[in-house]
Amino acid sequence: AQRVTQPEKLLSVFKGAPVELKCNYSYSGSPELFWYVQYSRQRLQLLLRHISRESIKGFTADLNKGETSFHLKKPFAQEEDSAMYYCALRGETSGSRLTFGEGTQLTVNP
Amino acid sequence: NAGVMQNPRHLVRRRGQEARLRCSPMKGHSHVYWYRQLPEEGLKFMVYLQKENIIDESGMPKERFSAEFPKEGPSILRIQQVVRGDSAAYFCASSGPGDQPQHFGDGTRLSIL
Repeated sequence: AQRVTQPEKLLSVFKGAPVELKCNYSYSGSPELFWYVQYSRQRLQLLLRHISRESIKGFTADLNKGETSFHLKKPFAQEEDSAMYYCALRGETSGSRLTFGEGTQLTVNP
Repeated sequence: NAGVMQNPRHLVRRRGQEARLRCSPMKGHSHVYWYRQLPEEGLKFMVYLQKENIIDESGMPKERFSAEFPKEGPSILRIQQVVRGDSAAYFCASSGPGDQPQHFGDGTRLSIL
């Protein structure tokens, strides 16, 4: 079975502070990991996928297979980063479906 | 490209009625996915369809729920004889072939009175 855990439902930081949104997964094979973001009143949109190894809006995420984690990081948070963030997994044997974590609501305070 | 289009955005039904949710994928996409989000929970996979075929329905409830993606027109998620527990946000996503990422619609918020 595959599972994604985001241990923090709510995360609050001040503008300019570093931020890390945690994501742990359970999967026996080689998964593909994603981060999706949902800004207020907007649709869910893809932020990062681990195979791209890119930085979007200053965010990065590294797949750590030893710790089965895919934490999302940004060194200096901005107010416009306030949003709901979902970590998702696609398994190599589970077809195309995504398994989502429950999400972390990030608030960046001025 | 308008992206994935879902309608209606909000749907209110009384217990026992039928609910029909529509999803038009992004232009050029032939793969459609439906997810359900119950209050305070993450998105849960329901069904994956390609044109005229159900590829994976492992997340669909056994009764009352059905989905289709006809050769012409949008994908439809149909819930018969709705109950209070069906109240949720239903999201549709689409993708191209292979390992392309899924793009989501705005969702339909279903409320059961």
